Amino acid sequence: GIQVEQSPPDLILQEGANSTLRCNFSDSVNNLQWFHQNPWGQLINLFYIPSGTKQNGRLSATTVATERYSLLYISSSQTTDSGVYFCAVETLGGGTSYGKLTFGQGTILTVHP
Amino acid sequence: DGGITQSPKYLFRKEGQNVTLSCEQNLNHDAMYWYRQDPGQGLRLIYYSQIVNDFQKGDIAEGYSVSREKKESFPLTVTSAQKNPTAFYLCASSPTSGGYNEQFFGPGTRLTVL
Repeated sequence: GIQVEQSPPDLILQEGANSTLRCNFSDSVNNLQWFHQNPWGQLINLFYIPSGTKQNGRLSATTVATERYSLLYISSSQTTDSGVYFCAVETLGGGTSYGKLTFGQGTILTVHP
Repeated sequence: DGGITQSPKYLFRKEGQNVTLSCEQNLNHDAMYWYRQDPGQGLRLIYYSQIVNDFQKGDIAEGYSVSREKKESFPLTVTSAQKNPTAFYLCASSPTSGGYNEQFFGPGTRLTVL
């Protein structure tokens, strides 16, 4: 099956710093999502971005599908940005492959005041 | 309020007992999913359903069962055959219309087997 690798596994920042999280995947995809998991376990949708670039406030994401990677940018980080960031991909093809998200292992972000 | 609800939030079970986790959505989504998360890990797919009365096994279906009798509901039963059931269980749904398949998640149920 498809492999999804996220880097770095851990990231520690001071408030106000910028960061880039990376997601590499081993096969073509027709859907890619970025999530933030808060300390209570809730997965919050950040981006649905199978290709191209999107921005939402201090966060932006870029997916280069032909090169099989996606980047999540966090600018002017805040303590509330702390948590785990997951990348998840849905593979191409119909039948039983449709709708299956494969998750990476996540990046643990800690933002200190 | 539109969304996905899961109950209970915390569940304790004795070894050898079956237990059913509830998942309800009022988003009018066609597809629903169950994932399992172990500490420090990503999510893994247990079962999913694209339409009422139909569902498919995911990557780790052994020891679990599901039903989809209503569009809004997709309960998951953790059976005594599941060898390591202690985990965080997350339910999701997606519209699957016109190729748009963004998944949205409920708040999760933490299951502990004593």
